[in-house]
Amino acid sequence: DTGVSQNPRHKITKRGQNVTFRCDPISEHNRLYWYRQTLGQGPEFLTYFQNEAQLEKSRLLSDRFSAERPKGSFSTLEIQRTEQGDSAMYLCASSDRARTGGWGYGYTFGSGTRLTVV
Amino acid sequence: SQQGEEDPQALSIQEGENATMNCSYKTSINNLQWYRQNSGRGLVHLILIRSNEREKHSGRLRVTLDTSKKSSSLLITASRAADTASYFCATDPIYNQGGKLIFGQGTELSVKP
Repeated sequence: DTGVSQNPRHKITKRGQNVTFRCDPISEHNRLYWYRQTLGQGPEFLTYFQNEAQLEKSRLLSDRFSAERPKGSFSTLEIQRTEQGDSAMYLCASSDRARTGGWGYGYTFGSGTRLTVV
Repeated sequence: SQQGEEDPQALSIQEGENATMNCSYKTSINNLQWYRQNSGRGLVHLILIRSNEREKHSGRLRVTLDTSKKSSSLLITASRAADTASYFCATDPIYNQGGKLIFGQGTELSVKP
């Protein structure tokens, strides 16, 4: 399978617990993005990496959220001290956009991790 | 904040009919993209139209872009029940150096057999 893989597919956790999600992008893609989507809404940007460098973080990404992409391969998104408002679908996407600006390329999305905080 | 706004929010049609969805955005863009999302799944890239293009076709999909009005439309011709999904427009703003896409709230399309 050469698509974007996300694990786990579903996660139920108690409020206050920490959770970590993993994303394995398409191997040739140098850019990796995390988005969050709540029911009935479009995806909202959280953060993105070019190779191993985290180049932008949204204001949505509070201090409880951290993302890494060691060695520019897979990425992890950790949420500490989860709150009920963190319940959402967390989507990862990758692209092979080789240059900034310009014409752009489409993303390839994973199937997402659905987080439920109880 | 969301860049794109889609209209209508929900659309219900019969199989074989055409479906048209519209998207408006606020800032100048490099390109605009359309994605489809089946319930509970990730998004699938459908088509990308660049800022210097006015119309693009892919199979049963036709996308138009009017940069003067900051709007785009997605037409699905001869719809099928399998087209039932949510459709999102996403913009790549011209100020954006990172390729970050800004998504609209989506149009929920239901195609009845």
